[in-house]
Amino acid sequence: DIVMTQSPDSLVVSLGERATINCKSSQSVLYSSNNKNYLSWYQQKPGQPPKLLIYWTSTRESGVPDRFSGSGSGTDFTLTISSLQAEDVAVYYCQQYYSTPYTFGQGTKLEIK
Amino acid sequence: EVQLLESGGGLVQPGGSLRLSCAASGFTFSSYAMSWVRQAPGKGLEWVSGISGSGGNTYYADSVKGRFTISRDNSKNTLYLQMNSLRAEDTAVYYCAKAPQITMVRGASGYFDYWGLGTLVTVSS
Repeated sequence: DIVMTQSPDSLVVSLGERATINCKSSQSVLYSSNNKNYLSWYQQKPGQPPKLLIYWTSTRESGVPDRFSGSGSGTDFTLTISSLQAEDVAVYYCQQYYSTPYTFGQGTKLEIK
Repeated sequence: EVQLLESGGGLVQPGGSLRLSCAASGFTFSSYAMSWVRQAPGKGLEWVSGISGSGGNTYYADSVKGRFTISRDNSKNTLYLQMNSLRAEDTAVYYCAKAPQITMVRGASGYFDYWGLGTLVTVSS
């Protein structure tokens, strides 16, 4: 199984500042036949189901603000929130869908300073 | 509007069984793979099982293989998860989630673009 490891486990950032969350996979999630990285990001607020933010490493889901961006390739990926807003307080998860069993990172809790 | 509504959760004793349902609407159900993802209290997300749009291919996490069975009735737009031999560690909120593609084979789009609100399963004596 592919193990997904996020860092840090928690993050405290001031409003308007940049937040960066890292995700590392135990093996590459780059599919050679289409050169796509099978990596997505979700946001989960308390009492709510996860919400898809980004798929294919860097494609924003419709309606997701452009302050959210994803990058990376192979085994190392990053979710960046360029200017933190109060409504971004949540837990963020990365997920690989390169192969089943699909696996998630342990989550990163983002709070406001 | 895509809607996924889970039901069937509750309190069950260890060793017992439960059947979860997920009623789907707002999209052509048979055209998309579906999965169950669970979240233990205060913990992270764990993919449990998935099924192709036709229902012909199923996939399981090792933690539930042989105990859980995923199925779907495309005529009723409903996804199911039959859970047998339940253990305390199966206690979680169970979400149904929609994939953006009909298949789950290697190379498919296996992220989840829509999620239900979840149903809580508690395994305790």
